[in-house]
This record gives sequence, structure tokens and C-alpha cells, in this order.
Amino acid sequence: DAKTTQPTSMDCAEGRAANLPCNHSTISGNEYVYWYRQIHSQGPQYIIHGLKNNETNEMASLIITEDRKSSTLILPHATLRDTAVYYCIAAPGGSYIPTFGRGTSLIVHP
Amino acid sequence: DAGVIQSPRHEVTEMGQEVTLRCKPISGHDYLFWYRQTMMRGLELLIYFNNNVPIDDSGMPEDRFSAKMPNASFSTLKIQPSEPRDSAVYFCASSLSFPGEGSHEQYFGPGTRLTVT
Repeated sequence: DAKTTQPTSMDCAEGRAANLPCNHSTISGNEYVYWYRQIHSQGPQYIIHGLKNNETNEMASLIITEDRKSSTLILPHATLRDTAVYYCIAAPGGSYIPTFGRGTSLIVHP
Repeated sequence: DAGVIQSPRHEVTEMGQEVTLRCKPISGHDYLFWYRQTMMRGLELLIYFNNNVPIDDSGMPEDRFSAKMPNASFSTLKIQPSEPRDSAVYFCASSLSFPGEGSHEQYFGPGTRLTVT
């Protein structure tokens, strides 16, 4: 799996967009970018994934740069319940088991 | 569906004792995963099953750890004998298809917090 680099922590005001960056400069052509999050005392939760194109679902949007060396997870209207550790993972899509790093601790404050 | 169910939620035991953690995956899911999470090592994959068959156990730390899946709705992770360094949160997860093949979602249980004194 390609190594990913994320900030250790971030904070965001409730109701504002939370933009979580991830660098994956060594990503290869067949590797997808996956995002999971882990709310305190719970198991990780899948959020979204993408290969080249930007993706959006009911939880978040994923913006991948044209060179695919970095991406941003966007929570459009962060709520207090979005406070969690967010993991960015770059791995092949065919036989992939997520390998979780340290992630970004996002704190959403009132 | 109630989601992935794990029991017990908390377990405190003394060093040398046998510990058995249990997991019930989501009905219809054919993959089951066991993870361990600690502050030092983060979230580690221990073993996973496909259709009740162990596929990759390379993450199992040592022979003291064993996992079984006797049927599609039940799996156990056993530690015998337990040691203080086994203290961690153990997660079970299941998925409908192999992560990366269409359905990329793993559904995690609430975890079992194990403390070995």
C-alpha cells in the first residue's frame, strides 16, 4: 500500500465545512483512496473511496488531485457527531484489506 | 439488522487465563475480520475468514492466539494463556464482498475491551 500522510489533528466549527487533507505521493495507478472514520469507543466506519474522479455520497465528498498525489475529504456541514479520527488509505482495489495508520483527529466544536 | 455483535464488551482477566471473544457477523456477509487496536500499534488485522474458512492469519501475533468460525453466524478469537501485553480493543468486522470488489464497506462491531492484569 502507498504511504499516506495526514495531519495529526484538526478542528472545525459546527456547521462549517471540514476539509481533511491526505498526501499519497507514491500512489500507484491501481490504488484507490479510501476514507474511514472512527468515533470514540466505536469501530471504524467506511466513508467513501475513489480512484481518479471526485466522488460524493450522503456522508462526504472526496476530491482527488489530477496527479492523484493528494486528496481531500470534505464534510460539507460538520456536526458535533463528526468528531472522530479520520483515516486515509491508499491501496489496490482488487484484493484490499484496509491498513489503518494514525489518521487525523477531527474535533468539531460548537 | 442489528449489525455486527461482539461479546463481551469488556473483559478483565488475570495473566495466564484463557480468554474467548465472540462475534456474530451481519447475516449474509461472507467475510469476517478480526482486528486489534492499541495506542502503540494502532488498528491491526489479525485474521480474516471467507465462507467460514480462514484465509490469512499472518497477523495473528503468536500461537497463543487462535480463531475459529464454525458457522456463518459465529466466530471466536481465543487467547490462551493471556498476557498483559494482549490488553487492547478487539474488533470484529464483516463485509458482503471482499473489500475492493464493488462493495467496499466493512461493518465493524463495537469491540471488546480486554484488560489482562
